Formats: sequence, C-alpha cells, structure tokens
Amino acid sequence: GAVVSQHPSRVICKSGTSVKIECRSLDFQATTMFWYRQFPKQSLMLMATSNEGSKATYEQGVEKDKFLINHASLTLSTLTVTSAHPEDSSFYICSAKVAFGSYEQYFGPGTRLTVT
Amino acid sequence: AQSVTQLGSHVSVSEGALVLLRCNYSSSVPPYLFWYVQYPNQGLQLLLKYTTGATLVKGINGFEAEFKKSETSFHLTKPSAHMSDAAEYFCAVFGTSYGKLTFGQGTILTVHP
Repeated sequence: GAVVSQHPSRVICKSGTSVKIECRSLDFQATTMFWYRQFPKQSLMLMATSNEGSKATYEQGVEKDKFLINHASLTLSTLTVTSAHPEDSSFYICSAKVAFGSYEQYFGPGTRLTVT
Repeated sequence: AQSVTQLGSHVSVSEGALVLLRCNYSSSVPPYLFWYVQYPNQGLQLLLKYTTGATLVKGINGFEAEFKKSETSFHLTKPSAHMSDAAEYFCAVFGTSYGKLTFGQGTILTVHP
C-alpha cells in the first residue's frame, strides 16, 4: 500500500516551453501533497505544500508564477514549470500524506527535468 | 525552527563492516525522526522512523537507529554492510508544529569488496 507515482519519469524540453509533472497516490487519498526539488548531489528542498481544493503554499524563494501547482483531487497533484530555463533542470520529487495531522509521507519516484 | 546535520557527505566501508551514518538534529518541539535511502534516479524509501516510545528503532534491510535526546542524535547503523547498501542516505526531522519534513544534506555510502 501507500504507493505514489510520478509521470513522466524523465522529460526534456526546450527553453521557454512549459512542462507538466503529475503526482498520483495510487491506493490512498492524499489530503496533502508536497513538491521537492533536488539538485545534483544535494538534499531535497521543499518547494510547496498543496492541500486538495485549495491554493498551494510556497516556500520562501520559490516563484509561484513559475511553478504552478494544482491539487484538484485527492489522488492527483500537478506541477507545471512555466517558461522553463536551463537552471530549472533538476530532479523533482513529490510526496503525499494520508490525513491532516499525519506525519508520514510517501514519496514518488521522481521526475528528471532537463531544459535545453 | 528545525534543522538536520549529517556528519560526513561520503562514507566508505568494506563489505561486512559496520555501517555508521551520523545525524544530529535541532528542533524546538519533540521531533519525529526518519532515515530514508535513495538509489540513483529514484525517489526516497523509508528505512525507519522514530516517533515515540522505544528509542532504538529497527528498520528494513537490517538497519537500526537510536534516538538520543541528550545528544540530539539519531545515528543509523548496520552491523554488516552489503554491496546492495551502496546508496545515498538522508536523515530527516518532522516538527509537528511546522508540519514539514526537513532533510539533512545526505550521506553517500560506498561499499567496497
């Protein structure tokens, strides 16, 4: 149980285009999903927290207009990188938790974004 | 505020040797502590966690960790390393008042024959 999937696993896009990454909880309903970014040889940095049906809460320094997050259902959250640039190239990982107040997060396998 | 420090970005051990990965945390509230493992180009897999109760926690793949409040530490150990243990390991703290996980910098474990 508690499986989180991400799609696509890898994506290459051209500078200036937008790319959407999906995060799905396969066997549970996720009240809250998190989006992390991981640069090579670095740790995970929380970008934003999204609760189903409400606006995402972004961490300081994360551009909300550049990284659009939508959590339209209890099993799906999407991250759209708009007008991508090479510096947006990174490994993006989502996680999900079951209930408000719960502490345990289940992580997706990650999406490798390369912007050329 | 909460933070996590992992001492040693790289640890190298021989197969069969003891594995010790160090983690110290800072938290203004009683923490929940986690160790995760990450293989290349993959997400994070939970190894073990401490929330309350017994301070020595056992996880998957023979790993265990001990919560020492007086030392604000949560070091990860395994008695005998296996080649398949080679990966990156992250310590993380969850502060209930913040509702967020904060990760350490990660430690890359190399196991050589």
